[in-house]
Amino acid sequence: AQSVTQLDSHVSVSEGTPVLLRCNYSSSYSPSLFWYVQHPNKGLQLLLKYTSAATLVKGINGFEAEFKKSETSFHLTKPSAHMSDAAEYFCVVTLNTGFQKLVFGTGTRLLVSP
Amino acid sequence: DAGVIQSPRHEVTEMGQEVTLRCKPISGHNSLFWYRQTMMRGLELLIYFNNNVPIDDSGMPEDRFSAKMPNASFSTLKIQPSEPRDSAVYFCASSGRPEPGNTIYFGEGSWLTVV
Repeated sequence: AQSVTQLDSHVSVSEGTPVLLRCNYSSSYSPSLFWYVQHPNKGLQLLLKYTSAATLVKGINGFEAEFKKSETSFHLTKPSAHMSDAAEYFCVVTLNTGFQKLVFGTGTRLLVSP
Repeated sequence: DAGVIQSPRHEVTEMGQEVTLRCKPISGHNSLFWYRQTMMRGLELLIYFNNNVPIDDSGMPEDRFSAKMPNASFSTLKIQPSEPRDSAVYFCASSGRPEPGNTIYFGEGSWLTVV
């Protein structure tokens, strides 16, 4: 069965330092993978997605993620954190059910300190 | 583009009352999803519609929950009677094509508290 594991429930960084949010997936086929961000009391916004094209995917707000099949990983990175990046981040995989059944990870809360 | 529009944004109701949550998907989208988010269970898919027809409702918790999509621009999620354990954030989402890699757009959620 398809699933995602977000390895850290919380990540704390200082403003201006790099961000790494880790995600490993489990899938019996070539998956579609997404990262969504949720700011406090807001909905979910798509950051980026991988759909079997380029393995390095660039998203909004300077985020990017690399699909590594050998490591079954899809880690999210950003070179320099901003205060506005503080939010909950979800790694998501799509089940091969014939429609877009999203399976969400448990989320990683990113804390950014001045 | 107005995005996915949900109402109400916040609702507090007493146990036993009926709750109706509403959703207007993005114009032209023919896939609509209802998700529920709780601290304990995270984000769960409740029901999926394609072209106004319910395709997968296996995530609907029990008979107290029902969802309808009478036309392409409107859907409701109803809870009757409501219970405190239904307190959660309910998200509506829509997508243009039902292909695995297509982007799903979420509304800002309806925050439900049942007391």
